[in-house]
Amino acid sequence: GAVVSQHPSWVICKSGTSVKIECRSLDFQATTMFWYRQFPKQSLMLMATSNEGSKATYEQGVEKDKFLINHASLTLSTLTVTSAHPEDSSFYICSARNRGRSNEQFFGPGTRLTVL
Amino acid sequence: GENVEQHPSTLSVQEGDSAVIKCTYSDSASNYFPWYKQELGKRPQLIIDIRSNVGEKKDQRIAVTLNKTAKHFSLHITETQPEDSAVYFCAASLKTSYDKVIFGPGTSLSVIP
Repeated sequence: GAVVSQHPSWVICKSGTSVKIECRSLDFQATTMFWYRQFPKQSLMLMATSNEGSKATYEQGVEKDKFLINHASLTLSTLTVTSAHPEDSSFYICSARNRGRSNEQFFGPGTRLTVL
Repeated sequence: GENVEQHPSTLSVQEGDSAVIKCTYSDSASNYFPWYKQELGKRPQLIIDIRSNVGEKKDQRIAVTLNKTAKHFSLHITETQPEDSAVYFCAASLKTSYDKVIFGPGTSLSVIP
């Protein structure tokens, strides 16, 4: 149980285009999902906290107009990188909290974004 | 906001020896401290966690200790094996902020056969 999937697993796009990444909790309801970005040889940096049915809460320094987050249901959150640039190339990972259990988070497999 | 520091950044040990990774956190309201192991290109895997009402927890070769007063927590791996080689992250979670998890900078552990 407690499986989180992400789609796509990798994506290559041209500079200026938008990319959407999906995060799904497959066998549990996730009231809260989190989006992280990880550059090579660095830690996971929290970008935003996404709660079902409400606006996402962004961490300081993260542009909410560039990284659009939608949490439309208890099993799906999406991250859209708008007008992507090469510096947005990174590993994006989502995690989800199980509605019935506190604290523990379950991570998706990550999405490798490369912007040319 | 919460800030998590971690030392050392790299650690190399002989197979069979112990490895210790230390972390500190800044926000005394943090109440949950997970440790993750991440292999290259993969998702973080929870290996052990501890809550603020507990001082120590052990699971086979892995143990974690927590000193709330000093805001320190540590990971201990005994009888290390080559498959323990990976990047380890400590983290702290704030109950008051939807349990968001803030990661430390990571420790790259190499176990030499």
